[in-house]
Amino acid sequence: DAGVTQSPTHLIKTRGQQVTLRCSPKSGHDTVSWYQQALGQGPQFIFQYYEEEERQRGNFPDRFSGHQFPNYSSELNVNALLLGDSALYLCASSLADRGQGYTFGSGTRLTVV
Amino acid sequence: QQQVKQSPQSLIVQKGGIPIINCAYENTAFDYFPWYQQFPGKGPALLIAIRPDVSEKKEGRFTISFNKSAKQFSLHIMDSQPGDSATYFCAASLKSGTYKYIFGTGTRLKVLA
Repeated sequence: DAGVTQSPTHLIKTRGQQVTLRCSPKSGHDTVSWYQQALGQGPQFIFQYYEEEERQRGNFPDRFSGHQFPNYSSELNVNALLLGDSALYLCASSLADRGQGYTFGSGTRLTVV
Repeated sequence: QQQVKQSPQSLIVQKGGIPIINCAYENTAFDYFPWYQQFPGKGPALLIAIRPDVSEKKEGRFTISFNKSAKQFSLHIMDSQPGDSATYFCAASLKSGTYKYIFGTGTRLKVLA
């Protein structure tokens, strides 16, 4: 049973560019959340998608946007990249309203130069 | 009020020792408290979680102690092994864990052989 799959694993972008990160949730999960983890810090919540709608959002600017597809997979888009956007981006999936904890993927390491 | 404070920042113990990691929260509405283990280059993995209606929960060598009145909870790792060397994060959530997670800043644990 595959867990949460994220792609790509590593990415280098130039300041001002746009980036799209992808996530496939664990089989049977229908909710996808995205977190940003800066080096040496705990993950920070970006947003959560359920039934193709953004259900919750953290304190991130509108440059961060997302999408969930009918097969529950999800994308995170970041526009106008800043150096400070360099981080590990984690996707986590869960089954809505079951409270059984998130399953995290291994993340995408984004470096903005 | 949304913060989760975690201590210590780092911890070194001998093999067989019992490292203890502490977390404190302010928001009494939190009702789900998971602990995650993260190895370098990997996403966080759920270790154990507790709800505020119990004071202690054990799963294998991992134990959570929960003090609702003090708004504190802690992770104990019994008979620690070098393979337990990782970064540990506590977190708190609303709505039985279906809501966003607020993570602590992490504790880097090293278990000496």
